[in-house]
Order: sequence, then structure tokens, then C-alpha cells
Amino acid sequence: DADVTQTPRNRITKTGKRIMLECSQTKGHDRMYWYRQDPGLGLRLIYYSFDVKDINKGEISDGYSVSRQAQAKFSLSLESAIPNQTALYFCATSDSRVARTSYEQYFGPGTRLTVT
Amino acid sequence: GQNIDQPTEMTATEGAIVQINCTYQTSGFNGLFWYQQHAGEAPTFLSYNVLDGLEEKGRFSSFLSRSKGYSYLLLKELQMKDSASYLCAVGVTGGGNKLTFGTGTQLKVEL
Repeated sequence: DADVTQTPRNRITKTGKRIMLECSQTKGHDRMYWYRQDPGLGLRLIYYSFDVKDINKGEISDGYSVSRQAQAKFSLSLESAIPNQTALYFCATSDSRVARTSYEQYFGPGTRLTVT
Repeated sequence: GQNIDQPTEMTATEGAIVQINCTYQTSGFNGLFWYQQHAGEAPTFLSYNVLDGLEEKGRFSSFLSRSKGYSYLLLKELQMKDSASYLCAVGVTGGGNKLTFGTGTQLKVEL
């Protein structure tokens, strides 16, 4: 079984709709991240969470919100989807307790979101 | 802020060696990472350098010079399956074990 899973894997939605992307992990990592990836722009950080009670904005958080329901679950919501939020979304995890590899992130398979 | 530069595309021949360069400017540097990403798939970790020098892992090696803000990923004995995007990322101190990614180098391996 995959250590980091994302649902749905693909989603087409209409402008103005609310949509939630979910991420679950079985790695026991404390830190979780949401990125979006656009052609030519690379991976950009949307939100990140140190633990259940600590959530922080990344470089492109406008139009998004998140919820860390448990250590293993981190959800990303688009309150009112717009076409320029069409992208590939990745969830990632890392383990802050292991000093040498605390920056090493493990990625989920991605969610391809299309907003029409 | 952070600025990471790497070539957009490279082409190489099967069996050859290719070097993908990455330069960076950042405050709070805490390591240089390389990830491989096949089209439509998740990035996967390749290597990590925090000290100057060369780290070798099988066919892949990564080099870091902190004073020059420079790293490279060296791929030897290229195989067709190495065709992918290679992402350079910098670890940044200041909370969150955050990584800042470059835009990636698309490597095409040809016969």
C-alpha cells in the first residue's frame, strides 16, 4: 500500500464550486504539505502543517484553505474554484524527528484538478 | 527570498553521462535536494547534500559547493527510463523544514 495517498486522483469541477482534496499518510510523519504544480512554474507551496494544531501559509495560499484533521490527514479546500486553479496538486510529508532527513519530503501520487 | 536556476531541457544519448546544473541564492540554506519526476507522477527523492562535495549513489551522484551556490546531478550509464524531469530544491531554515523547488530540467534520453 502507498504511504501517502490522495483522493480524488482526477477531478473536473465548475467555476464557483467548493472542492476538497484529501491526503492521508501511514508514514507516521508529523509534517505535511500541499503544493501545486503548473507547467514552467515548478512546485509551489500552498500550505504546510507542523502538527495538528500548527498550520502555516505557503507562498500561494490565497483562494485555498486547509484542515489537519489528524496527524495522518491533511485536506486542501478550494472555497470557490476558478479556472486558474487548474493544476496538479501534490501532498507531501516529512519527519522532523530525524535530523539528517527532516527536509526529505515524500509525495503522494497527485490530484489533477480541472476547473471549467 | 530564494532563487533557483536550472536548465529547462537537456537531451542525452543512452549509455552516456549527463550533468544537470543548479544554481541557487537563498537565505537560511539547509541542504540541497534532487528529485526525479516522471510525467504525471509524484516527485521521488534522489539525493541530498548539506556539506560540500560529492555524494554517490549508484548511477547517480550529486555535488554541492555552498560558497558558489552551485550543485549538479550527474547521471551515468543513461537508460531510457531516466527520461524525466529533475527538480533541484533547497532546504530553508526558519520553520517548517520547507523546500523551495526550481522549475525542473526535462531530460530526454535518446537511442
